[in-house]
Amino acid sequence: EAQVTQNPRYLITVTGKKLTVTCSQNMNHEYMSWYRQDPGLGLRQIYYSMNVEVTDKGDVPEGYKVSRKEKRNFPLILESPSPNQTSLYFCASSRQGFYNEKLFFGSGTQLSVL
Amino acid sequence: AQTVTQSQPEMSVQEAETVTLSCTYDTSESNYYLFWYKQPPSRQMILVIRQEAYKQQNATENRFSVNFQKAAKSFSLKISDSQLGDTAMYFCAFMTYSGAGSYQLTFGKGTKLSVIP
Repeated sequence: EAQVTQNPRYLITVTGKKLTVTCSQNMNHEYMSWYRQDPGLGLRQIYYSMNVEVTDKGDVPEGYKVSRKEKRNFPLILESPSPNQTSLYFCASSRQGFYNEKLFFGSGTQLSVL
Repeated sequence: AQTVTQSQPEMSVQEAETVTLSCTYDTSESNYYLFWYKQPPSRQMILVIRQEAYKQQNATENRFSVNFQKAAKSFSLKISDSQLGDTAMYFCAFMTYSGAGSYQLTFGKGTKLSVIP
């Protein structure tokens, strides 16, 4: 089954404790991206990747890191999480980052930073 | 910078009735794609419909259709014969080329739609 898998679905952590949210897709997609969703703000793009070893900042990259060493994986790293990073996070992928490509979303990761 | 505005934070509609969700956007690009995504309580993001900016004909997908007014930069979603399963948050989004082989996808803040039995 074609899917984007995010883990974990729920995560509670404390300020400053490094964490990684994993994202993996099995569709051989070139384009992958991360979003955070906050009430009243919609989805905002954090980082995206057009292909292996090619990443770029989205609208809200501060406090986040990503890497794209393999085509299927695109982890989101929070080196020193802070409470303002409490949010619902989505990973998404598409065949190519072209205009009309349908984005496939993961199920989301609800992160709480205490 | 490109922006997407959904002016209706919440809406409700009676089952079997028709509802229209509004979306306006701002961009200096001439070529782009527009999307409506649905997010039910399960949190899953589901593509509802998409529209190419260079196509004048409005896209339709079963009970879902759009009214695309390029000059007005407006992209509204019409849901006909509303069903209880249409209850969800709806996000308008558009993707445009941001240079150096990169593409930027921007979402609106969402409209929460409730379908009332």
